[in-house]
Amino acid sequence: GAVVSQHPSWVICKSGTSVKIECRSLDFQATTMFWYRQFPKQSLMLMATSNEGSKATYEQGVEKDKFLINHASLTLSTLTVTSAHPEDSSFYICSATGLAGVNYNEQFFGPGTRLTVL
Amino acid sequence: DAKTTQPNSMESNEEEPVHLPCNHSTISGTDYIHWYRQLPSQGPEYVIHGLTSNVNNRMASLAIAEDRKSSTLILHRATLRDAAVYYCILRDSAGTALIFGKGTTLSVSS
Repeated sequence: GAVVSQHPSWVICKSGTSVKIECRSLDFQATTMFWYRQFPKQSLMLMATSNEGSKATYEQGVEKDKFLINHASLTLSTLTVTSAHPEDSSFYICSATGLAGVNYNEQFFGPGTRLTVL
Repeated sequence: DAKTTQPNSMESNEEEPVHLPCNHSTISGTDYIHWYRQLPSQGPEYVIHGLTSNVNNRMASLAIAEDRKSSTLILHRATLRDAAVYYCILRDSAGTALIFGKGTTLSVSS
């Protein structure tokens, strides 16, 4: 099956700093990528949807100026948490959907990135 | 998206079959039924999906009711590695995001 990677797998940062998380589709072209956040003991919450070359669409309640998403190519999307604070500590997961004909109806998930803000 | 209802938790013994139910009474004609699972500290993993007919793959089987208002994920022989949160999700097209509910936490005992 198609593989999605995330880097880093975990990161610890100081409050007020910015953190960038990369999401890559390794063996397929991802027309659409999604970013989710998951707090302990809770389900995944969709943050935003991004299409290659377009601005991301953010879900209600997600600050677009705080969570910057860039989807510059068909294999890479980045999420930057700007001026991170302890309440941003969470498990961030990306996923991708491929072009038609490449398991078109399946959404592939990355392994997640654990962010801890001190 | 139409809503799904799943039990919060289920328990099983190793090597026994597991039937995970999902109710989706407001499903529309174009909604696919997807099942994903999430192991601790990992991203979700695709399990199976279907539209109207029952589906089988190497991981599981999906039994869909004739009226499509419910479905059942069947793990034929549970292993300890099947312990995870299982999510039943409806989605009408490949381009839209999967919206996760609370899912069913499956515990497997040896």
